[in-house]
Parts: sequence; structure tokens; C-alpha cells
Amino acid sequence: SQQGEEDPQALSIQEGENATMNCSYKTSINNLQWYRQNSGRGLVHLILIRSNEREKHSGRLRVTLDTSKKSSSLLITASRAADTASYFCATDSWGKFQFGAGTQVVVTP
Amino acid sequence: GAGVSQSPSNKVTEKGKDVELRCDPISGHTALYWYRQSLGQGLEFLIYFQGNSAPDKSGLPSDRFSAERTGGSVSTLTIQRTQQEDSAVYLCASSPGLGETQYFGPGTRLLVL
Repeated sequence: SQQGEEDPQALSIQEGENATMNCSYKTSINNLQWYRQNSGRGLVHLILIRSNEREKHSGRLRVTLDTSKKSSSLLITASRAADTASYFCATDSWGKFQFGAGTQVVVTP
Repeated sequence: GAGVSQSPSNKVTEKGKDVELRCDPISGHTALYWYRQSLGQGLEFLIYFQGNSAPDKSGLPSDRFSAERTGGSVSTLTIQRTQQEDSAVYLCASSPGLGETQYFGPGTRLLVL
């Protein structure tokens, strides 16, 4: 089974709105990473948060990590049409990486 | 600088044939990872290398799959006696060290007829 489970599976919002997606995992982790994949193959790294961190920001992205609940959230503020993509969380358990099934985000103008 | 490259970009093969997929990581990156992504699905972790060694091969789907890395650089994923269920995009990533940000290649799209 997937280590990282994203929620929701799909999200449709309008430009300017915020998008929030969550990731839950089962085992202890070293760090958690979020990636974006546009239609096609390319995966782009967004942000890495280590197990001893609780929150990180990068531009319009905000990631939280709650190791007690084994969950993370990704917030995209002031979304743009270009943010349309699938978003994946990936857990790193000391070398073993597991990706979730992803959240498909559609941002309409 | 150059990113992760993979070859071929597309591969069509017949069931039962062997295929070899290649990954050129970013120069200096010690960690290398292979994933498989079926249509509309997430990424399935296959194997990782730290240097030339692969400490954990349990993610490989079957004994038809093998991978090697030589010289701490290029890696090859080999699938023997391909089956239709092997059809997927095979992605390679590298990172400066284990547990750090992974940089992905464009993938190899494999279709087994």
C-alpha cells in the first residue's frame, strides 16, 4: 500500500483562491517532500521538510508537518492557472522513498 | 548545468523481449533512484543506489527486474522477458546525498505489446 496518501484526490478551484491538500503516512520518516507533475512526465521538486521541522515556506507555498499525526499539508496561496498539475507527497524513510497517488489540482481562470 | 537524462525516451517492445533503460544522473550526485509510474497513478519506488550499491532491492516488482550502477554514475534498469503489465513510465532521479532533494529525469515511456 502507499505510504503517502493524499487527500483530496482532485481539487478544482478558481484563480486567486487557495488550494490545500493533505498527506498522511504510516511509518517514521526522515523527511517529507512535495513534488508537482504537469501533464506528461516531468516531476518538479517543490519543498522538503525534515522531521524536526513543523512549517516551511517557499514563495506561495506553505508546508506543515505534524509527526505526531503523521500528516503534512501543502497550501498554495493565490493560485494561478499555471498551478494546474498533480501534486505528490513523498516520504523518505532513510533511503526508501514512497510517493502517494497524488492530488490533481485544476485552476480555472 | 545538465539535469538527469534518460534514454530512450520511448520504447516499444514485444512481450518476452528484454529491455534496458539508462539513467545519467547529475554529476556529483551520489544517490540515484528508479521509480515506475503507471498511467494516472502515483510513483512506485523500485530501487535506490548510494554510490554503486543498492542496499534494498525489495521494491523491484519481480526477479525479471534488475538494476546496476557503475562508477557511481550511470545506472541501467533491465527488464527481462517483458510482460504487458510492465508498460509504464520509468523515472530516474538523483540527489546530492541520500534523503536530499531529488531531481527527476524526463522518464522512459515503455510500451509492451
